Amino acid sequence: GAGVSQSPRYKVAKRGQDVALRCDPISGHVSLFWYQQALGQGPEFLTYFQNEAQLDKSGLPSDRFFAERPEGSVSTLKIQRTQQEDSAVYLCASSPKGLAGRSNTGELFFGEGSRLTVL
Amino acid sequence: KQEVTQIPAALSVPEGENLVLNCSFTDSAIYNLQWFRQDPGKGLTSLLLIQSSQREQTSGRLNASLDKSSGRSTLYIAASQPGDSATYLCAVLSGTYKYIFGTGTRLKVLA
Repeated sequence: GAGVSQSPRYKVAKRGQDVALRCDPISGHVSLFWYQQALGQGPEFLTYFQNEAQLDKSGLPSDRFFAERPEGSVSTLKIQRTQQEDSAVYLCASSPKGLAGRSNTGELFFGEGSRLTVL
Repeated sequence: KQEVTQIPAALSVPEGENLVLNCSFTDSAIYNLQWFRQDPGKGLTSLLLIQSSQREQTSGRLNASLDKSSGRSTLYIAASQPGDSATYLCAVLSGTYKYIFGTGTRLKVLA
């Protein structure tokens, strides 16, 4: 597609349910990021993939959060046993180049996000 | 640890004014800095990307400058329009693989 696509756009979950959020990056983009954005705040880093390799997962708040990008394109962020504090917008971004090397870093292209509400 | 601060947090101006948004960061060892726009309920749209070796970038009515040594960037918007109303965020790439974002400046341009 022309841009980064995320689904679902809105998800309401009961506390304790598992959720899966999908990101379709721009075709051919090497880098993929997941961010969490609380209301009125800037995005907070969760994890980074370069192709299929998860090079940084230091921002994942707990072991209930898991992300994968098995074929280096589509990525899924999974949250197990959701809690109310997980309510936020989850943003995915992709970039044409990888960050290893850093000779010339490219723009980030964001999707519209998945808004998760945990009741 | 890199920290990014944006001032002011909110700004309301009449249409036609030129305005400056500020972004400061604590660690000058950055690879690039990007300015984004976010409309309510939407994702982020990249406005300008400044590599660490550059001092400024321009796109239309927007101009962004970067002073790494002082840890500052400014986004200048000329002849503001109501359609410019949005939240403006800056982000720096430093350290490992993280873009660190500020909390944004909420801009309202009054017709």
